[in-house]
Amino acid sequence: GNSVTQMEGPVTLSEEAFLTINCTYTATGYPSLFWYVQYPGEGLQLLLKATKADDKGSNKGFEATYRKETTSFHLEKGSVQVSDSAVYFCALSPSARNTGFQKLVFGTGTRLLVSP
Amino acid sequence: SAVISQKPSRDICQRGTSLTIQCQVDSQVTMMFWYRQQPGQSLTLIATANQGSEATYESGFVIDKFPISRPNLTFSTLTVSNMSPEDSSIYLCSVTGDTDTQYFGPGTRLTVL
Repeated sequence: GNSVTQMEGPVTLSEEAFLTINCTYTATGYPSLFWYVQYPGEGLQLLLKATKADDKGSNKGFEATYRKETTSFHLEKGSVQVSDSAVYFCALSPSARNTGFQKLVFGTGTRLLVSP
Repeated sequence: SAVISQKPSRDICQRGTSLTIQCQVDSQVTMMFWYRQQPGQSLTLIATANQGSEATYESGFVIDKFPISRPNLTFSTLTVSNMSPEDSSIYLCSVTGDTDTQYFGPGTRLTVL
């Protein structure tokens, strides 16, 4: 079946540090991949997405590249800020070539704590 | 992307009562969904809200406990019935348009005493 595995948190960094949050997936076909962010007390916001192999999604300084050979979609940011403290969810939507609704599959989430 | 609002944003309820959560979208959308996020956990899909017909529930969720309505393409409600403390969660609606990207509402934080 389809699944998403994320690194466990919390990830604790100092401001301006480099961030990597690992995400690997298992899926048949060609899923779309997403990163969502949940700031404290809020709902989920779409951070970035990629729909095919070698695509790079980017937004607000965050990047993730769809690597089909390693089934990965790791989230990176070159210099984190205190305001990036949140929970980050990796997710996949199974192959777009299938017809009908395909349930979004979430990872368990990774909490990021950035200190000044 | 669509602008999604939910009401109420939070509530504290007594066990045995019911709460209806509203989800409003500022444009017509293809699909609407309801999720539950238990404290410190990831999201679990409750059901797909179908316009003009009964919702499609995921395993472990039943209509008697979580009745859902979707009278049109921009609005849906989720009722949490006969609540117990185990129902304390964040409830989120999400929508899709023409792509497989889901956009989420701000969530409703429910505490059951």
